[in-house]
Amino acid sequence: VQVVESGGGLVQPGRSLRLSCTTSGFTFGDYTISWVRQAPGKGLEWVGFIRSKTYGGATEYAASVKDRFTISRDDSKTIAYLQMNSLKNEDTAVYYCTRVVRDDSYFDYWGQGTLVTVSS
Amino acid sequence: EIVLTQSPATLSLSPGERATLSCRASQSVSSYLAWYQQKPGQAPRLLIYDAINRATGIPARFSGSGSGTDFTLTISSLEPEDFAVYYCQQRGIWLTFGGGTKVEIK
Repeated sequence: VQVVESGGGLVQPGRSLRLSCTTSGFTFGDYTISWVRQAPGKGLEWVGFIRSKTYGGATEYAASVKDRFTISRDDSKTIAYLQMNSLKNEDTAVYYCTRVVRDDSYFDYWGQGTLVTVSS
Repeated sequence: EIVLTQSPATLSLSPGERATLSCRASQSVSSYLAWYQQKPGQAPRLLIYDAINRATGIPARFSGSGSGTDFTLTISSLEPEDFAVYYCQQRGIWLTFGGGTKVEIK
C-alpha cells in the first residue's frame, strides 16, 4: 500500500489550493479516504473523509473546515483530492491523506504529508 | 464533540522500563479507540484499534486496555525506537484525537 500526497505550498489568505492523494496497492474504490492535518508543532486534527461509492461517496467534514474544504475522489485513477477554498492562516499544516478502516473508524495507512503554508 | 485528554503530557523513562499512557474521553466511546505512534518528521502509525487489538506488524510489547471513557496504552519494555509521541483517537459522531503524550529518554 502506498499513499502519496502532493500539491502543497505557499498560498495567500483567502486563496485556494488543491491537494492530491495518489494511491496504489489496494482496491481504492472499496475504501473511505480521509485527510488529517497537523499544524507545526501541534497535534493531529481530522479534516474530513469521503466514503466509497458503495456508500454513495458521502463526505463528512470537521466544523473548522466545513463549507470551505471539499473532498472528492476519482476511483478510475485511484486518487483523492482536497479542495481548499478561502484559506486562513490557521489552515497552515502538514496535510496527510489516509486510508480509513473498520467502519470509518481508524486510519491504517498514511502518506508522508504535504505542507500547506497560508501567509501573505 | 468528544474531547480526549491524554496524560501525562511527557513521560521520561529509560530503555527497558514500562510505559503507561492514559487517554480519557469526555463521554463514552465504547471501545472505539485507537492509538498511534508518531516519530519526528514521520507520519503517524496505527498501533492499536478497538482499544485492545494490535494492528498488523505491531510488536507484542504494545498493549491497549479500557472501555467507555478510560483507556491505557502500555509498552511493557521500552525499546530505543519507542521514544516518540503517542496519540489516542476516537470514533464518535466525528473523529477526534487526544493532545498526545511524548515518551522521552530519561
